[in-house]
Amino acid sequence: ILNVEQSPQSLHVQEGDSTNFTCSFPSSNFYALHWYRWETAKSPEALFVMTLNGDEKKKGRISATLNTKEGYSYLYIKGSQPEDSATYLCAPYNTDKLIFGTGTRLQVFP
Amino acid sequence: NAGVTQTPKFQVLKTGQSMTLQCAQDMNHEYMSWYRQDPGMGLRLIHYSVGAGITDQGEVPNGYNVSRSTTEDFPLRLLSAAPSQTSVYFCASSYSDSRYGYTFGSGTRLTVV
Repeated sequence: ILNVEQSPQSLHVQEGDSTNFTCSFPSSNFYALHWYRWETAKSPEALFVMTLNGDEKKKGRISATLNTKEGYSYLYIKGSQPEDSATYLCAPYNTDKLIFGTGTRLQVFP
Repeated sequence: NAGVTQTPKFQVLKTGQSMTLQCAQDMNHEYMSWYRQDPGMGLRLIHYSVGAGITDQGEVPNGYNVSRSTTEDFPLRLLSAAPSQTSVYFCASSYSDSRYGYTFGSGTRLTVV
């Protein structure tokens, strides 16, 4: 079973601040890396799926980068808004399985 | 499209009872899976299926059975409920390709007393 680590565990920022989180995963047998956004009382929703070393994905103010050789991915949020408050999960894909990290819980205060 | 539908949304069981959590998807996804979510543990994979008639174990399969007789349905059976199975259960589906994101159901909150 893959060891997936996310840091920090939680983050409190002010509206307008930019922030970033880290996801670390084993670099061997890499297929893809998924990021999900999970709001309280809802279900996880897919943000990005990245497959190639050096991949960069962007959706609005949220972007992600991938380094498969060293086994990490960064998620960036530019100008955080209260509606960005959620838990952000990463999950490497390996042999038909997505194994999730425990997530980074972000709270954005107005 | 309804997406991924889970029933029931809430359930209370007594220790030793059995039950089936239902999951159905209407997106013609080959891949379906069950996760449980516990505080501080994130989402842990219970069982998964890459297509009708094919199932396999995830990280925490003990105490659970699955079957996949159709593409649309992937029920999760608790054989003899234990308090340690108190959790929120999520079903997810996807195309069988690592490049596609998963679609999650709304979850089933199960309490075993």
